[in-house]
Amino acid sequence: EAGVAQSPRYKIIEKRQSVAFWCNPISGHATLYWYQQILGQGPKLLIQFQNNGVVDDSQLPKDRFSAERLKGVDSTLKIQPAKLEDSAVYLCASSPGTGRRSYEQYFGPGTRLTVT
Amino acid sequence: SQQGEEDPQALSIQEGENATMNCSYKTSINNLQWYRQNSGRGLVHLILIRSNEREKHSGRLRVTLDTSKKSSSLLITASRAADTASYFCATDKGNKLVFGAGTILRVKS
Repeated sequence: EAGVAQSPRYKIIEKRQSVAFWCNPISGHATLYWYQQILGQGPKLLIQFQNNGVVDDSQLPKDRFSAERLKGVDSTLKIQPAKLEDSAVYLCASSPGTGRRSYEQYFGPGTRLTVT
Repeated sequence: SQQGEEDPQALSIQEGENATMNCSYKTSINNLQWYRQNSGRGLVHLILIRSNEREKHSGRLRVTLDTSKKSSSLLITASRAADTASYFCATDKGNKLVFGAGTILRVKS
């Protein structure tokens, strides 16, 4: 079974530029998550999709971050414009679960973003 | 905000020894999960323990949960160099995880 795919793996941009990350979850997984992991910290949830609807985006800085999940499969996360504090690893995860029952989450390799 | 807090922040042991990591959290949870992260394999799920369970085993891993003390522990027995990684607990309120800052485990061979 193929895992969660993410691209690119690394990205270096200057502040005020824009950047987009792509995620392809495990086939059949209804729920997709984007996390931000700053060096030395645990992952922080940015947004959660169930199929193509947003379940939770309470920690997404909506003035600069946006995300979509077209047709309930692939997802993109965009930052525009980027700030220095956005330097982090952006992790995508998926799980087969829906509703409130808990399932393990499967994580992709992440995209390491450096903003200079 | 981070719900779980792992203790210790870092742990260094010899191969073959046991490693114990603790996690404390503040609010009630449905379940608690433990994950491992290393540069080679990324973030990988280890074990999920439900709020009505007190102990769970998976291979060399043993997880306990004490909901009255709002704490959990992860024990790795007979550690190997390959266990070197960061370990995170994540509190779970129904398909949504809140991660702690993690414990860095180094196993010396």
